[in-house]
Amino acid sequence: DAKTTQPNSMESNEEEPVHLPCNHSTISGTDYIHWYRQLPSQGPEYVIHGLTSNVNNRMASLAIAEDRKSSTLILHRATLRDAAVYYCILRDVPPFYGGSQGNLIFGKGTKLSVKP
Amino acid sequence: GAVVSQHPSRVICKSGTSVKIECRSLDFQATTMFWYRQFPKKSLMLMATSNEGSKATYEQGVEKDKFLINHASLTLSTLTVTSAHPEDSSFYICSARDGGGTYEQYFGPGTRLTVT
Repeated sequence: DAKTTQPNSMESNEEEPVHLPCNHSTISGTDYIHWYRQLPSQGPEYVIHGLTSNVNNRMASLAIAEDRKSSTLILHRATLRDAAVYYCILRDVPPFYGGSQGNLIFGKGTKLSVKP
Repeated sequence: GAVVSQHPSRVICKSGTSVKIECRSLDFQATTMFWYRQFPKKSLMLMATSNEGSKATYEQGVEKDKFLINHASLTLSTLTVTSAHPEDSSFYICSARDGGGTYEQYFGPGTRLTVT
């Protein structure tokens, strides 16, 4: 799987938008971009994923660069509960693929702190 | 959304004993389950992948005789840490892939193992 690069940490103020960047310059054409987050002492939680087009769901938005070499996770209004480590992961099979391939491989992620 | 449970959430055992951790998918059939290990302030490391009814595939450096994985049904996988030592103390997280729908990967809440 192609590698991703994220800042180690970021800070945000409560109720302000947060833009979490991820670089993936070696992304292949079939790589899906996944974002997960991990709250302290919990398992990771799915946030959003996309392939080429920008995506929105109730948790966040995902903005994907036209060349797909970078993406940005957008939290529209950060809350204290959004403080977590956010992982940007490339997965080389579509979400509907079965079998052992397409394991999620985690990098170091970005630790987001939210100040009240 | 889909739910994955783990039991126990915390366990303390003595060095040399074995510990079994259960991972269950509560409302979907998990054709593939994954086991990760996470040391303090580190990212998740994939240990092994198991398909229902088949032998698990272990990542390089993970001893299959020490970390026994059984995936006997579509909703249950177990990880047994045999002859545990203090260096096995870690946060163990399972993940299950939905085999009947989106093939998305869902994570359990994790099990904190402490070996004394």
